[in-house]
Amino acid sequence: GDSVTQMEGPVTLSEEAFLTINCTYTATGYPSLFWYVQYPGEGLQLLLKATKADDKGSNKGFEATYRKETTSFHLEKGSVQVSDSAVYFCALSERDAGKSTFGDGTTLTVKP
Amino acid sequence: EAGVTQSPTHLIKTRGQQATLRCSPISGHTSVYWYQQALGLGLQFLLWYDEGEERNRGNFPPRFSGRQFPNYSSELNVNALELEDSALYLCASGSGTRSYNEQFFGPGTRLTVL
Repeated sequence: GDSVTQMEGPVTLSEEAFLTINCTYTATGYPSLFWYVQYPGEGLQLLLKATKADDKGSNKGFEATYRKETTSFHLEKGSVQVSDSAVYFCALSERDAGKSTFGDGTTLTVKP
Repeated sequence: EAGVTQSPTHLIKTRGQQATLRCSPISGHTSVYWYQQALGLGLQFLLWYDEGEERNRGNFPPRFSGRQFPNYSSELNVNALELEDSALYLCASGSGTRSYNEQFFGPGTRLTVL
């Protein structure tokens, strides 16, 4: 079955540091890939997405590239801010399957 | 445009009782998805409804059930509550199989079973 593996957290960075959160996936078909963010006490918000190989999703300074050859979708940001502190989830979704399969989430804390 | 709404925000029940959670999707969305986010267990897929029909179900016992109404809103029912059912229940809506399945999440219902 489908699965998503994220790097284990928690991750603690200083403000303006470079962020990478690794995500790899296993899927039977050709999925769409997503990063969601969950701020404390809130639901999940879609951060970015990619629907085919070599697509780059980007939003709010975050980027991730759909790499079919390495089955990866790593999240990056060049300079993190305190307001980026949240839990980040990598997810995949196969058309017609309905559900999305999520990684376990990576907690990011950014210190001033 | 209004987002996905869920009610109630918090729900406290005792073991053995039944809980009913409600979700209203974004206007125009025909699919509703339910997930359980228990502490330390990540998001676990529960149910998918599209056009009033149950389309897919996760690995949960039958006491987790639900339905989708003609206006596409949905209810999740949990019978015979157990302590381990305490979790944040997230509802998401989307365009079902006619898209690449981007899902928009509500704020969740926090269920506490005592």
